[in-house]
Amino acid sequence: GQNIDQPTEMTATEGAIVQINCTYQTSGFNGLFWYQQHAGEAPTFLSYNVLDGLEEKGRFSSFLSRSKGYSYLLLKELQMKDSASYLCAPKSGYSTLTFGKGTMLLVSP
Amino acid sequence: DAGVTQSPTHLIKTRGQHVTLRCSPISGHKSVSWYQQVLGQGPQFIFQYYEKEERGRGNFPDRFSARQFPNYSSELNVNALLLGDSALYLCASTGVVNEQYFGPGTRLTVT
Repeated sequence: GQNIDQPTEMTATEGAIVQINCTYQTSGFNGLFWYQQHAGEAPTFLSYNVLDGLEEKGRFSSFLSRSKGYSYLLLKELQMKDSASYLCAPKSGYSTLTFGKGTMLLVSP
Repeated sequence: DAGVTQSPTHLIKTRGQHVTLRCSPISGHKSVSWYQQVLGQGPQFIFQYYEKEERGRGNFPDRFSARQFPNYSSELNVNALLLGDSALYLCASTGVVNEQYFGPGTRLTVT
């Protein structure tokens, strides 16, 4: 079965750093994705972790601990355009993604 | 290069009707997945196809079916529409590390 837990909402200030946590219980775990989704738009791919540790990509970094069933997305130097929903999606099997409900991030000036 | 394309963009149907949604993956991608997203929720996996074969199926009733064509485009069909089928239907093609690249979606409203 699949169980994914993320905070529903978070708020932060422009220029700050925010960490969005995700815990999961996924049978046949085979990697974890993070997606960004702006209101009314499709999700866009941000990061992928298959091994434990930190993956850095510009202002965004993602961390994975497979033994703890835990991941986080770290956003640095927040900008207004980062206001969006952030979806944690563990993968099982070939490429079946199970998405969490998402964390709505609101960045204020 | 064009990304994932979907048609139509919006659709309004009546309960009991049938609907067909279409998707073309990114050029060179051979796998297509379909997801349903209702407001306030993450996308829910419906189907995955690879080289015209069904590779995975989510927890959806048999009213939902799909197929993939030789050019890797795909159709999602939903029969006997219910009000609860109103949602954003997303198609995604699969990249090198199995990341999903989503199309803009089809907004289906069932009245």
